Amino acid sequence: GDSVTQMEGPVTLSEEAFLTINCTYTATGYPSLFWYVQYPGEGLQLLLKATKADDKGSNKGFEATYRKETTSFHLEKGSVQVSDSAVYFCALDPRGTYKYIFGTGTRLKVLA
Amino acid sequence: GAVVSQHPSWVICKSGTSVKIECRSLDFQATTMFWYRQFPKQSLMLMATSNEGSKATYEQGVEKDKFLINHASLTLSTLTVTSAHPEDSSFYICSAILGGFTEAFFGQGTRLTVV
Repeated sequence: GDSVTQMEGPVTLSEEAFLTINCTYTATGYPSLFWYVQYPGEGLQLLLKATKADDKGSNKGFEATYRKETTSFHLEKGSVQVSDSAVYFCALDPRGTYKYIFGTGTRLKVLA
Repeated sequence: GAVVSQHPSWVICKSGTSVKIECRSLDFQATTMFWYRQFPKQSLMLMATSNEGSKATYEQGVEKDKFLINHASLTLSTLTVTSAHPEDSSFYICSAILGGFTEAFFGQGTRLTVV
């Protein structure tokens, strides 16, 4: 069945370090892919999305490219800030029904 | 952007009692809302789809008599955990969809602890 595998955290980085959070998926067809972020005490916020192969989603310095050949959607940021500390979820919508399949979430902690 | 609000953010209840969680779309009408559950260190798992004015559709393995969902208006869906037990302790989160958007909008979640 459809699934998302996300790297386990926590990830601890120093400010201005490069960030990669790996996400791979299994799905039939052409799912839409998402990264959501959850700051402490808040709900899930959409960070970026990609709806077809080779699309690159980007927002707030974060980027992820929909790679169908490797079934991946890795999240990257060139220079993290303390304010980026949060839990990041990779998700897919396999059939455009908004019924998401989530990864386990990766907690990121950025130290000043 | 579209805002979805859940209430309460956290709740502690005694075993055997029922707890109601509300999910509201604050600035739009949502004909469809979704309920998810997250166990510690696990993914969010879809529990059910809530449609305004009709019965909810439950995912396989979810007890519909345990988790009652009501979507009585275009801005409110409720999840009632009936006769709660400690194994029902979890993080529950809802989402709603707005026409024209390819993503769902999520509430802040509700942490339920049954003691």
